[in-house]
Amino acid sequence: EIVLTQSPGTLSLSPGERATLSCRASQSVASSYLAWYQQKPGQAPRLLIYGASSRATGIPDRFSGSGSGTDFTLTISRLEPEDFAVYYCQQYGSSPRTFGQGTKVEIK
Amino acid sequence: EVQLVESGGGLVQPGGSLRLSCAVSGFTFSSYWMSWVRQAPGKGLEWVANIKQDGSEKYYVDSVKGRFTISRDNAKNSLYLEMNSLRADDTAVYYCARGGSYPGIWGQGTLVTVSS
Repeated sequence: EIVLTQSPGTLSLSPGERATLSCRASQSVASSYLAWYQQKPGQAPRLLIYGASSRATGIPDRFSGSGSGTDFTLTISRLEPEDFAVYYCQQYGSSPRTFGQGTKVEIK
Repeated sequence: EVQLVESGGGLVQPGGSLRLSCAVSGFTFSSYWMSWVRQAPGKGLEWVANIKQDGSEKYYVDSVKGRFTISRDNAKNSLYLEMNSLRADDTAVYYCARGGSYPGIWGQGTLVTVSS
């Protein structure tokens, strides 16, 4: 099973700032099969990125993903008030699928 | 409108059983892999199981193997999760999701509480 480790655990930033979230895998993720989700309190997760760098339908271009192998990054170029939430990475290169433990982006 | 609606959650004693259902509408259910993902209170997401379009392939996280069974009825546009030998650490919101790789559509979840 591939273990995903996200850092930092919490990111305290102000609206308008840039957010950089990291996801590191315990072994190489096949074909960059990595996704990112956003989750707000009381809501289901929302798919942001798949294939490490492809934005899902309707996702603003301030969200971007990069990386390959074992190191992946989600960048939010300029934080909007609605972007403060928890973010999870997830690999689908092997079964079972696994998630990282999450990074909370909070208002500073 | 695409919709996934989970049901069947509730309070169950340790060692008990529960069957979750997910009714889908707004898309061709038989064309998609489907998954169950859970989230313990205040914790992160955990993939539970997924199933191929025709039910011929199923995968489970190790912690539920032999206790949980994922199934589907394409004629009824429904996904199921049969849960047996439930333990306290199975307490979670269970989400039904469309897709077996990177689900893009999720239900709102149903809460399962395992407690005496």
